[in-house]
Amino acid sequence: AQKITQTQPGMFVQEKEAVTLDCTYDTSDPSYGLFWYKQPSSGEMIFLIYQGSYDQQNATEGRYSLNFQKARKSANLVISASQLGDSAMYFCAMSLGEGSNYKLTFGKGTLLTVNP
Amino acid sequence: EAQVTQNPRYLITVTGKKLTVTCSQNMNHEYMSWYRQDPGLGLRQIYYSMNVEVTDKGDVPEGYKVSRKEKRNFPLILESPSPNQTSLYFCASRRQGLNSNQPQHFGDGTRLSIL
Repeated sequence: AQKITQTQPGMFVQEKEAVTLDCTYDTSDPSYGLFWYKQPSSGEMIFLIYQGSYDQQNATEGRYSLNFQKARKSANLVISASQLGDSAMYFCAMSLGEGSNYKLTFGKGTLLTVNP
Repeated sequence: EAQVTQNPRYLITVTGKKLTVTCSQNMNHEYMSWYRQDPGLGLRQIYYSMNVEVTDKGDVPEGYKVSRKEKRNFPLILESPSPNQTSLYFCASRRQGLNSNQPQHFGDGTRLSIL
Protein backbone atom coordinates (compact mmCIF):
# COMPACT_ATOMS: atom_id res chain seq x y z
CA ALA A 1 0.00 0.00 0.00
CA GLN A 2 1.19 3.49 -0.75
CA LYS A 3 1.96 6.02 1.96
CA ILE A 4 2.70 9.74 2.08
CA THR A 5 4.58 11.33 4.96
CA GLN A 6 4.70 15.04 5.69
CA THR A 7 6.82 15.56 8.79
CA GLN A 8 6.25 19.31 9.23
CA PRO A 9 2.92 20.03 10.91
CA GLY A 10 3.58 23.76 10.62
CA MET A 11 6.02 26.09 8.90
CA PHE A 12 6.62 29.82 9.11
CA VAL A 13 8.21 31.97 6.41
CA GLN A 14 8.77 35.66 5.90
CA GLU A 15 7.05 37.33 2.98
CA LYS A 16 9.19 37.28 -0.20
CA GLU A 17 11.38 34.44 1.04
CA ALA A 18 11.42 30.89 -0.31
CA VAL A 19 10.15 27.90 1.66
CA THR A 20 10.42 24.15 1.21
CA LEU A 21 7.67 21.79 2.32
CA ASP A 22 8.79 18.19 2.77
CA CYS A 23 7.12 15.09 1.43
CA THR A 24 8.31 11.50 1.32
CA TYR A 25 6.40 8.65 -0.22
CA ASP A 26 6.41 4.90 -0.27
CA THR A 27 5.20 2.61 -3.03
CA SER A 28 6.46 -0.46 -4.82
CA ASP A 29 4.62 0.44 -8.02
CA PRO A 30 6.92 1.86 -10.73
CA SER A 31 4.21 4.09 -12.21
CA TYR A 32 2.83 6.82 -10.01
CA GLY A 33 2.11 10.50 -9.86
CA LEU A 34 2.90 12.92 -7.06
CA PHE A 35 0.74 15.98 -6.48
CA TRP A 36 0.62 19.02 -4.27
CA TYR A 37 -2.62 20.68 -3.25
CA LYS A 38 -3.30 23.89 -1.35
CA GLN A 39 -6.23 24.21 1.03
CA PRO A 40 -6.88 27.76 2.26
CA SER A 41 -8.96 28.39 5.36
CA SER A 42 -12.05 28.69 3.13
CA GLY A 43 -11.75 24.93 2.55
CA GLU A 44 -11.41 24.37 -1.19
CA MET A 45 -8.70 22.06 -2.52
CA ILE A 46 -6.56 23.70 -5.17
CA PHE A 47 -4.23 21.70 -7.42
CA LEU A 48 -0.74 23.22 -7.62
CA ILE A 49 1.73 20.93 -9.35
CA TYR A 50 2.44 17.33 -10.23
CA GLN A 51 5.35 15.06 -11.04
CA GLY A 52 5.18 11.74 -12.86
CA SER A 53 7.42 8.92 -11.74
CA TYR A 54 8.99 8.68 -15.18
CA ASP A 55 9.50 12.40 -15.63
CA GLN A 56 13.17 13.25 -16.02
CA GLN A 57 12.94 16.88 -15.06
CA ASN A 58 11.55 18.48 -11.94
CA ALA A 59 8.15 20.07 -12.44
CA THR A 60 7.72 23.81 -12.21
CA GLU A 61 4.58 25.93 -12.25
CA GLY A 62 5.09 29.65 -11.72
CA ARG A 63 6.39 30.16 -8.17
CA TYR A 64 5.99 26.47 -7.39
CA SER A 65 8.59 23.85 -8.11
CA LEU A 66 8.82 20.24 -7.13
CA ASN A 67 12.16 18.87 -5.99
CA PHE A 68 11.80 15.23 -7.03
CA GLN A 69 14.46 12.82 -5.73
CA LYS A 70 13.32 9.40 -6.84
CA ALA A 71 16.06 7.39 -5.10
CA ARG A 72 15.20 9.05 -1.79
CA LYS A 73 11.46 8.85 -2.52
CA SER A 74 10.99 12.50 -1.79
CA ALA A 75 8.91 15.14 -3.58
CA ASN A 76 9.39 18.44 -1.78
CA LEU A 77 7.45 21.55 -2.75
CA VAL A 78 9.41 24.76 -3.08
CA ILE A 79 7.51 28.04 -3.04
CA SER A 80 9.61 30.99 -4.11
CA ALA A 81 8.93 34.63 -3.17
CA SER A 82 6.25 33.78 -0.61
CA GLN A 83 3.14 35.94 -0.50
CA LEU A 84 0.64 36.49 2.29
CA GLY A 85 -1.94 34.64 0.21
CA ASP A 86 0.23 31.53 0.33
CA SER A 87 -0.79 30.98 3.97
CA ALA A 88 -2.74 27.72 3.85
CA MET A 89 -2.59 24.00 4.47
CA TYR A 90 -0.53 22.13 1.88
CA PHE A 91 -1.05 18.48 1.07
CA CYS A 92 1.22 16.10 -0.76
CA ALA A 93 -0.60 13.24 -2.50
CA MET A 94 0.12 10.25 -4.68
CA SER A 95 -1.83 8.11 -7.09
CA LEU A 96 -0.80 5.00 -8.96
CA GLY A 97 -0.89 4.61 -12.72
CA GLU A 98 -2.86 2.57 -15.23
CA GLY A 99 -4.61 -0.45 -13.75
CA SER A 100 -5.16 1.21 -10.40
CA ASN A 101 -8.25 3.02 -9.17
CA TYR A 102 -6.38 6.35 -9.29
CA LYS A 103 -7.17 6.91 -5.63
CA LEU A 104 -5.25 9.85 -4.18
CA THR A 105 -3.41 9.00 -0.98
CA PHE A 106 -2.80 12.17 1.00
CA GLY A 107 -0.30 13.13 3.65
CA LYS A 108 -1.47 14.82 6.85
CA GLY A 109 -0.55 18.24 5.54
CA THR A 110 1.67 21.18 6.50
CA LEU A 111 0.19 24.44 7.69
CA LEU A 112 2.19 27.28 6.15
CA THR A 113 2.05 30.74 7.67
CA VAL A 114 3.55 33.66 5.75
CA ASN A 115 4.52 36.56 7.99
CA PRO A 116 4.59 40.16 6.71
CA GLU B 1 -14.22 27.97 -17.11
CA ALA B 2 -13.20 24.38 -16.36
CA GLN B 3 -14.59 23.39 -13.00
CA VAL B 4 -16.11 20.84 -10.67
CA THR B 5 -19.30 22.13 -9.06
CA GLN B 6 -20.72 20.75 -5.83
CA ASN B 7 -24.05 21.59 -4.24
CA PRO B 8 -24.88 22.44 -1.60
CA ARG B 9 -21.78 24.07 -0.13
CA TYR B 10 -23.19 23.83 3.39
CA LEU B 11 -25.93 21.66 4.84
CA ILE B 12 -27.19 21.07 8.36
CA THR B 13 -29.72 18.26 8.63
CA VAL B 14 -31.00 15.60 10.99
CA THR B 15 -30.33 11.93 11.42
CA GLY B 16 -32.22 9.70 8.99
CA LYS B 17 -33.31 12.34 6.49
CA LYS B 18 -32.12 11.27 3.05
CA LEU B 19 -29.90 13.76 1.25
CA THR B 20 -28.02 14.06 -2.01
CA VAL B 21 -24.89 16.07 -2.70
CA THR B 22 -24.61 16.81 -6.38
CA CYS B 23 -21.37 16.99 -8.36
CA SER B 24 -20.98 18.13 -11.92
CA GLN B 25 -17.89 18.65 -14.07
CA ASN B 26 -17.60 20.40 -17.42
CA MET B 27 -14.23 18.99 -18.51
CA ASN B 28 -15.54 15.78 -20.10
CA HIS B 29 -13.54 13.74 -17.58
CA GLU B 30 -14.09 10.02 -17.47
CA TYR B 31 -13.02 9.54 -13.85
CA MET B 32 -14.86 10.98 -10.87
CA SER B 33 -14.47 10.37 -7.17
CA TRP B 34 -15.77 11.36 -3.74
CA TYR B 35 -13.60 11.99 -0.68
CA ARG B 36 -14.34 12.97 2.86
CA GLN B 37 -11.99 14.99 5.04
CA ASP B 38 -11.97 14.60 8.81
CA PRO B 39 -9.62 16.05 11.45
CA GLY B 40 -6.93 13.56 12.34
CA LEU B 41 -8.00 11.15 9.59
CA GLY B 42 -7.19 13.24 6.53
CA LEU B 43 -8.85 12.68 3.17
CA ARG B 44 -10.32 9.29 2.42
CA GLN B 45 -11.94 8.02 -0.75
CA ILE B 46 -15.61 7.03 -0.51
CA TYR B 47 -16.51 5.93 -4.05
CA TYR B 48 -15.12 6.38 -7.51
CA SER B 49 -16.27 5.97 -11.08
CA MET B 50 -14.11 5.13 -14.07
CA ASN B 51 -16.85 6.03 -16.56
CA VAL B 52 -20.60 6.10 -17.09
CA GLU B 53 -22.34 3.23 -15.30
CA VAL B 54 -19.01 2.06 -13.78
CA THR B 55 -18.69 2.73 -10.05
CA ASP B 56 -16.76 1.07 -7.25
CA LYS B 57 -16.14 1.37 -3.54
CA GLY B 58 -13.26 3.33 -2.09
CA ASP B 59 -11.92 3.02 1.43
CA VAL B 60 -14.97 4.21 3.38
CA PRO B 61 -18.14 3.42 1.38
CA GLU B 62 -20.44 2.40 4.25
CA GLY B 63 -23.56 4.55 4.47
CA TYR B 64 -23.14 6.07 1.00
CA LYS B 65 -24.42 5.40 -2.49
CA VAL B 66 -23.45 6.87 -5.84
CA SER B 67 -24.65 6.74 -9.41
CA ARG B 68 -23.11 7.68 -12.75
CA LYS B 69 -25.83 7.88 -15.34
CA GLU B 70 -24.20 10.73 -17.24
CA LYS B 71 -20.54 11.51 -17.76
CA ARG B 72 -20.71 14.96 -16.17
CA ASN B 73 -22.64 14.07 -12.99
CA PHE B 74 -21.71 11.95 -9.99
CA PRO B 75 -24.11 12.48 -7.06
CA LEU B 76 -23.37 11.23 -3.55
CA ILE B 77 -26.42 9.87 -1.75
CA LEU B 78 -26.82 9.42 2.01
CA GLU B 79 -29.93 7.27 2.40
CA SER B 80 -30.08 7.50 6.19
CA PRO B 81 -27.47 9.99 7.41
CA SER B 82 -25.95 9.59 10.86
CA PRO B 83 -23.83 11.98 12.97
CA ASN B 84 -20.62 10.11 12.10
CA GLN B 85 -21.10 11.28 8.52
CA THR B 86 -20.60 14.87 9.58
CA SER B 87 -17.61 15.88 7.47
CA LEU B 88 -16.21 17.99 4.64
CA TYR B 89 -16.92 16.26 1.34
CA PHE B 90 -15.08 16.73 -1.92
CA CYS B 91 -15.90 15.61 -5.41
CA ALA B 92 -13.01 15.31 -7.86
CA SER B 93 -12.52 14.44 -11.51
CA ARG B 94 -9.65 13.65 -13.82
CA ARG B 95 -9.00 12.70 -17.39
CA GLN B 96 -8.08 9.11 -18.17
CA GLY B 97 -5.85 7.66 -20.80
CA LEU B 98 -2.95 9.38 -22.52
CA ASN B 99 -1.04 10.11 -19.32
CA SER B 100 -1.61 8.06 -16.19
CA ASN B 101 -0.49 10.93 -14.00
CA GLN B 102 -3.32 13.33 -14.59
CA PRO B 103 -4.19 15.52 -11.60
CA GLN B 104 -7.59 15.31 -9.97
CA HIS B 105 -9.47 18.59 -9.89
CA PHE B 106 -11.61 19.17 -6.83
CA GLY B 107 -14.86 20.93 -6.22
CA ASP B 108 -15.07 23.58 -3.51
CA GLY B 109 -16.32 21.09 -0.93
CA THR B 110 -19.58 20.50 0.94
CA ARG B 111 -19.66 20.98 4.72
CA LEU B 112 -22.22 18.52 6.00
CA SER B 113 -23.49 18.48 9.61
CA ILE B 114 -25.80 15.68 10.74
CA LEU B 115 -27.51 16.38 14.06
